[in-house]
Amino acid sequence: GQNIDQPTEMTATEGAIVQINCTYQTSGFNGLFWYQQHAGEAPTFLSYNVLDGLEEKGRFSSFLSRSKGYSYLLLKELQMKDSASYLCAVFSGGYNKLIFGAGTRLAVHP
Amino acid sequence: NAGVTQTPKFQVLKTGQSMTLQCAQDMNHEYMSWYRQDPGMGLRLIHYSVGAGITDQGEVPNGYNVSRSTTEDFPLRLLSAAPSQTSVYFCASSPQGALTGANVLTFGAGSRLTVL
Repeated sequence: GQNIDQPTEMTATEGAIVQINCTYQTSGFNGLFWYQQHAGEAPTFLSYNVLDGLEEKGRFSSFLSRSKGYSYLLLKELQMKDSASYLCAVFSGGYNKLIFGAGTRLAVHP
Repeated sequence: NAGVTQTPKFQVLKTGQSMTLQCAQDMNHEYMSWYRQDPGMGLRLIHYSVGAGITDQGEVPNGYNVSRSTTEDFPLRLLSAAPSQTSVYFCASSPQGALTGANVLTFGAGSRLTVL
């Protein structure tokens, strides 16, 4: 089966950098997704990693180490609007069943 | 494009009642899925479909039925609602069945269901 672990909550200061970690155990690895979800809204896609290394997209970067079963999402120059939950997701066999972690709720303070 | 449309947005049921949550997408997406989201448990996959006429079970399929008679629609049926099915339900779709960074899930706005 699959197991995905993320910290439940994190807090950070506006303008700072925060790293949200995700560790996973899966029977076969086909890629890892990060989604952002604001309270009361639908999740939206942030990033996808299938190879080891860092993928950068503006203020957001995502890192993957397949050998360690580990990923992190790095948010730079934090803004108040980054207060949201961040969901890590991996496949449960094949490319059709995407399984999500419980998410990390990030609160950004002035 | 309206994207992924879910109805109703809110519903209250009594234990034992049946109902259908509707999901429609106008993007000609092959892949559609249903998730439920509960506090502290994240999104859990209920059922998914890789095309019209094809459905399969996710992590938590018990108590739910689905069908995919058209590409556009993927309704979720609760045959006999239970309080444990109180949750927020999200429908999601993607262009193709194999999810990748170029073929990501687009979520609907969600349907909040309460079973008394």
